[in-house]
Amino acid sequence: GDSVTQMEGPVTLSEEAFLTINCTYTATGYPSLFWYVQYPGEGLQLLLKATKADDKGSNKGFEATYRKETTSFHLEKGSVQVSDSAVYFCALPPPLGGSYIPTFGRGTSLIVHP
Amino acid sequence: DAGVTQSPTHLIKTRGQQVTLRCSPKSGHDTVSWYQQALGQGPQFIFQYYEEEERQRGNFPDRFSGHQFPNYSSELNVNALLLGDSALYLCASSFLMNTEAFFGQGTRLTVV
Repeated sequence: GDSVTQMEGPVTLSEEAFLTINCTYTATGYPSLFWYVQYPGEGLQLLLKATKADDKGSNKGFEATYRKETTSFHLEKGSVQVSDSAVYFCALPPPLGGSYIPTFGRGTSLIVHP
Repeated sequence: DAGVTQSPTHLIKTRGQQVTLRCSPKSGHDTVSWYQQALGQGPQFIFQYYEEEERQRGNFPDRFSGHQFPNYSSELNVNALLLGDSALYLCASSFLMNTEAFFGQGTRLTVV
């Protein structure tokens, strides 16, 4: 079945460092791909998405490119801030024809130190 | 515009008891989905309600049941609580089942 694999955390960085969080997927066809963020004590927020191969999603300085050839959707940010400390989830929807019910990875915790 | 609201925010129950969690969807949304998020894990889909009917269900036992009201709000009921039911329960709402889901802040359930 469809699944998402994320790199394990926590990822610990200093402020202004470069961030990469790896995500690979197994899916039927070419689904949309999503990154969600969960700040401490809060629910999930959609951070960015890409709906087809080679699309680049971006938001709040974060970017991710949908790579069909490597079945990857890695999240990147050029210069992280302390306020980016959160848990990040890679997700994909069900196969075509299903309802919008994201399948989430296990999440990667990011800790940014000043 | 209020987003998705859940109540209560925290809850402590004893093993074997029953619990009801509540969710009000974002204005304009008609579909509610429930997720269980164990500590250190990603959210797991429980079920989805649309037009007051359960439309999709994840791999959860019948102890987990729900309801959707005519105003689109929803309840999640869990019977015969187990210690393993301790988790953050997230509600998400969307429009017509097939649009972006917006999540509430969750209800933290602790079973002792």
